[in-house]
Amino acid sequence: GAVVSQHPSWVICKSGTSVKIECRSLDFQATTMFWYRQFPKQSLMLMATSNEGSKATYEQGVEKDKFLINHASLTLSTLTVTSAHPEDSSFYICSARGDLNHNEQFFGPGTRLTVL
Amino acid sequence: SQQGEEDPQALSIQEGENATMNCSYKTSINNLQWYRQNSGRGLVHLILIRSNEREKHSGRLRVTLDTSKKSSSLLITASRAADTASYFCASRTSNNAGNMLTFGGGTRLMVKP
Repeated sequence: GAVVSQHPSWVICKSGTSVKIECRSLDFQATTMFWYRQFPKQSLMLMATSNEGSKATYEQGVEKDKFLINHASLTLSTLTVTSAHPEDSSFYICSARGDLNHNEQFFGPGTRLTVL
Repeated sequence: SQQGEEDPQALSIQEGENATMNCSYKTSINNLQWYRQNSGRGLVHLILIRSNEREKHSGRLRVTLDTSKKSSSLLITASRAADTASYFCASRTSNNAGNMLTFGGGTRLMVKP
């Protein structure tokens, strides 16, 4: 199946700093990318949906100025957590859908963010 | 709420037993998918059942879908310790907001050797 990678797989940062997470589709073109957040022992919550070349659509309650999403190419989307705080500590998972089976969404391995 | 519901939230069984997990969703769907997630890891796609299908099998997995009740079940037969993981259902809908995948709350399965 199609492969989606995320980098880094884990990151620890100090409160107040910004962290960038990359999501790449390795063997297909991703016209749409999704960013999810997952707190311990909870389900995935969709944060935002981005289509290549256009602004991301954020879910209710997700601050677009805090979670900056860039989907500048068909194989790369980035999520930047700005001025991170301990409550932003979570598991962030991206997913991509593209020129393969339209309904199929492929998930990255996730990035564990810990904010001290 | 963005999420559907799954029950049970946690399930502990002995190796060799069958595990059944249930999922309910809220709106009309195109398909429903089941995923597995080992602790701290990404999602692994297990099986997809379309809205016009009622049952589907894949190895030791059996999925049913009842669109009249807006519910699905995942059965893992002859469970193994390696099946220990969290299992999530995700419903695929198409609406004005686009083509969305909405996750259930998940079932944490522990299979004891």
